[in-house]
Amino acid sequence: DGGITQSPKYLFRKEGQNVTLSCEQNLNHDAMYWYRQDPGQGLRLIYYSQIVNDFQKGDIAEGYSVSREKKESFPLTVTSAQKNPTAFYLCASSIRRRYTATNEKLFFGSGTQLSVL
Amino acid sequence: SQQGEEDPQALSIQEGENATMNCSYKTSINNLQWYRQNSGRGLVHLILIRSNEREKHSGRLRVTLDTSKKSSSLLITASRAADTASYFCATDAPGSSNTGKLIFGQGTTLQVKP
Repeated sequence: DGGITQSPKYLFRKEGQNVTLSCEQNLNHDAMYWYRQDPGQGLRLIYYSQIVNDFQKGDIAEGYSVSREKKESFPLTVTSAQKNPTAFYLCASSIRRRYTATNEKLFFGSGTQLSVL
Repeated sequence: SQQGEEDPQALSIQEGENATMNCSYKTSINNLQWYRQNSGRGLVHLILIRSNEREKHSGRLRVTLDTSKKSSSLLITASRAADTASYFCATDAPGSSNTGKLIFGQGTTLQVKP
């Protein structure tokens, strides 16, 4: 059963603590993304990766870090530098077509709700 | 910066009625996509329309694209209670061809009453 798995579904962070959100996909997609969603808002891009061992900052990367050591995995760490981390975090992946100008559709995980204790 | 903006922000209709949501964007695009999100869940891709297409259908969904007005509409015909969700349009980020970067609007929340 192919798809994207995010864990945990709910996560609580204490002040000064770093927490890591997991994202795993078995769709054999090259590209992976992390978005943040605040209540009643759209999605904002945190980081994205088009290939293993490479990633780029999105629009709101401050206070976050990522790694892409394996094609299947793209974990997101919310560091203590992120002062307002409470949000719904969504991981997505897509096919990457190298020689076209078209952005492909995204496949999303079911999200992680992060709250501050 | 906001690329896509949906209108209305919220829509409430009776089952069986049609629902129309609009999306406006600011810069030229390669394609525009519509997604659906049930409460507390991830987004699900509905339909992708390319800049050289004017209309596309998928089941009860009809999407139009007017590049001269930089706008798109999503029509859901014969709505069902199960269509209750938030709907988002997403466009290429400016200068982002082939990066996969999409910019999402704030969404339209649709409630379909049984």
